[in-house]
Amino acid sequence: DVKVTQSSRYLVKRTGEKVFLECVQDMDHENMFWYRQDPGLGLRLIYFSYDVKMKEKGDIPEGYSVSREKKERFSLILESASTNQTSMYLCASSSPGFSYYEQYFGPGTRLTVT
Amino acid sequence: AQTVTQSQPEMSVQEAETVTLSCTYDTSESDYYLFWYKQPPSRQMILVIRQEAYKQQNATENRFSVNFQKAAKSFSLKISDSQLGDAAMYFCPQRWYSGLFNGGTSYGKLTFGQGTILTVHP
Repeated sequence: DVKVTQSSRYLVKRTGEKVFLECVQDMDHENMFWYRQDPGLGLRLIYFSYDVKMKEKGDIPEGYSVSREKKERFSLILESASTNQTSMYLCASSSPGFSYYEQYFGPGTRLTVT
Repeated sequence: AQTVTQSQPEMSVQEAETVTLSCTYDTSESDYYLFWYKQPPSRQMILVIRQEAYKQQNATENRFSVNFQKAAKSFSLKISDSQLGDAAMYFCPQRWYSGLFNGGTSYGKLTFGQGTILTVHP
């Protein structure tokens, strides 16, 4: 079974702090994604990566950056957390070798910025 | 740009009955994939069923089936014999495909709708 894990289920940070969200997958997937999930808005893509050290902006990259130094790990960075970044963050991975590029999701990190 | 719309924020069903969740989308692509994902409360999102746009036959997975109307750009999910474990938020993302052959960079990106919360009453 594919497993995608995220470093924290719940996180509380203060405005202005630098925040790191970590995601690890164990299936050697090439593609990894970061989404944020908000009520009434569904999931919106922040960034994705299709290879080590490669990244592309998604639909809402402002205020975020990412890092992928190893194939299995994809980090989301909030350089200076703000209250409007309070949200649920979901990580996912996929591979062309798996049918239909099915995405496998982590359990999510609920981030609260106060 | 692709958009996905789920017009039912919430739905409810009695256990053992049938419920249909609606999804419409807008795309100019001819080849794409459609999915239904389920996100149970406080649990990971998992794939329920998928449909290739080039296939006319509707996909079926046990109690889950889709009604894919390509011309109408509609992709509904029918859950038969509903169970308490079906209670979840459901999403119907779309993945466009042609970019891969055109040297594009879709990389399997999904476009999500707003989601539908399904409540199952015992």
